[in-house]
Amino acid sequence: GAGVSQSPRYKVAKRGQDVALRCDPISGHVSLFWYQQALGQGPEFLTYFQNEAQLDKSGLPSDRFFAERPEGSVSTLKIQRTQQEDSAVYLCASSLGSINSNQPQHFGDGTRLSIL
Amino acid sequence: SQQGEEDPQALSIQEGENATMNCSYKTSINNLQWYRQNSGRGLVHLILIRSNEREKHSGRLRVTLDTSKKSSSLLITASQAADTASYFCATAPDTGRRALTFGSGTRLQVQP
Repeated sequence: GAGVSQSPRYKVAKRGQDVALRCDPISGHVSLFWYQQALGQGPEFLTYFQNEAQLDKSGLPSDRFFAERPEGSVSTLKIQRTQQEDSAVYLCASSLGSINSNQPQHFGDGTRLSIL
Repeated sequence: SQQGEEDPQALSIQEGENATMNCSYKTSINNLQWYRQNSGRGLVHLILIRSNEREKHSGRLRVTLDTSKKSSSLLITASQAADTASYFCATAPDTGRRALTFGSGTRLQVQP
């Protein structure tokens, strides 16, 4: 596809359920990022992949959050035992080069997660 | 936590007027980027300015960077209703973790 694709666009889950959010980056992009965006705030960094390697996961808020990118393309963000404070928009972004290459990030439209 | 602080938080102007948004940050940076976000959509990259640059232009956009004051400004000239969006600055540090840190954004409303 032409851009970064995220699915689902909306996800409603009950507290305690597990959820999985998918990101299809732009083909050939080396870097992939996950962000969490609360209402009225800017995105907060969660984790970064260079190809299949997760080089930085310092932004993941707890061990309930897990991300993978096994073949260096599609990535999945999994949240286990969801809690109400996990409600947010989860954004995925990709860029052509490595994180230090100063290239712009291309964002998907996000998954809006609501935990009831 | 968010490094950048945008000012103002919200801005409402008439079509044709200029809009200026400011961003302040705390740590030493490699570059600073500006993004736009329409409601319910992802962020769109607008412009990147490196730490050794002072000013950059792209169409109706003008960005300045003052590393001594740790601040940047985004000027949109001759605004259009389609410019209505939230605007975020994001900083890339020059050491340590290189991930972008976003500010809290300026919500711009351009009245037709």
